[in-house]
Amino acid sequence: GQNIDQPTEMTATEGAIVQINCTYQTSGFNGLFWYQQHAGEAPTFLSYNVLDGLEEKGRFSSFLSRSKGYSYLLLKELQMKDSASYLCAVRGERVLTGGGNKLTFGTGTQLKVEL
Amino acid sequence: EPEVTQTPSHQVTQMGQEVILRCVPISNHLYFYWYRQILGQKVEFLVSFYNNEISEKSEIFDDQFSVERPDGSNFTLKIRSTKLEDSAMYFCASSEDEGASPYGYTFGSGTRLTVV
Repeated sequence: GQNIDQPTEMTATEGAIVQINCTYQTSGFNGLFWYQQHAGEAPTFLSYNVLDGLEEKGRFSSFLSRSKGYSYLLLKELQMKDSASYLCAVRGERVLTGGGNKLTFGTGTQLKVEL
Repeated sequence: EPEVTQTPSHQVTQMGQEVILRCVPISNHLYFYWYRQILGQKVEFLVSFYNNEISEKSEIFDDQFSVERPDGSNFTLKIRSTKLEDSAMYFCASSEDEGASPYGYTFGSGTRLTVV
């Protein structure tokens, strides 16, 4: 089965740095994704990790440790528009016989950025 | 930038009625998905579709649900007899390949279904 845990809520100050953690236990692994979701909208892709280490993309970075089943999303220079839900999602083992691979999502971390 | 388009954006239906949610995936994508998100809950996988057949489905996707690609562009989700608990945001997604892409999927903007 798949189990993905992340904190429910976090609050941070504009201009600060925040780290959102995600731990997972899955039966197969073919990548971990972070999505941003504003209320009532679709998830939008932020980052992807399949190998251990840090991936940096502008103000956003994501880290993965496969041996620990752990990832984090780091947001720097926070802006008010970063207030949203951040979803950790794991893709299962690649299906070689055809067909796509589903994403299993965590419950999301609601980030509130304050002045 | 290519988009996944979903219609309608909102749908209100009476319990027991049939609904069809429509999606136009990105044109060169071959893999299609439906997810749903009940208000305040996590995004849940419903079904994946490739080569004109279902490749995987979840426990949620019971006999009341069906999917179809009636032509070269549309991908539909039908709920035959809606229940109150089907009220949710339904997201369509598509991807270019079967799981190697670092970009995951592109999600549509969703259809909010309300069953009364």
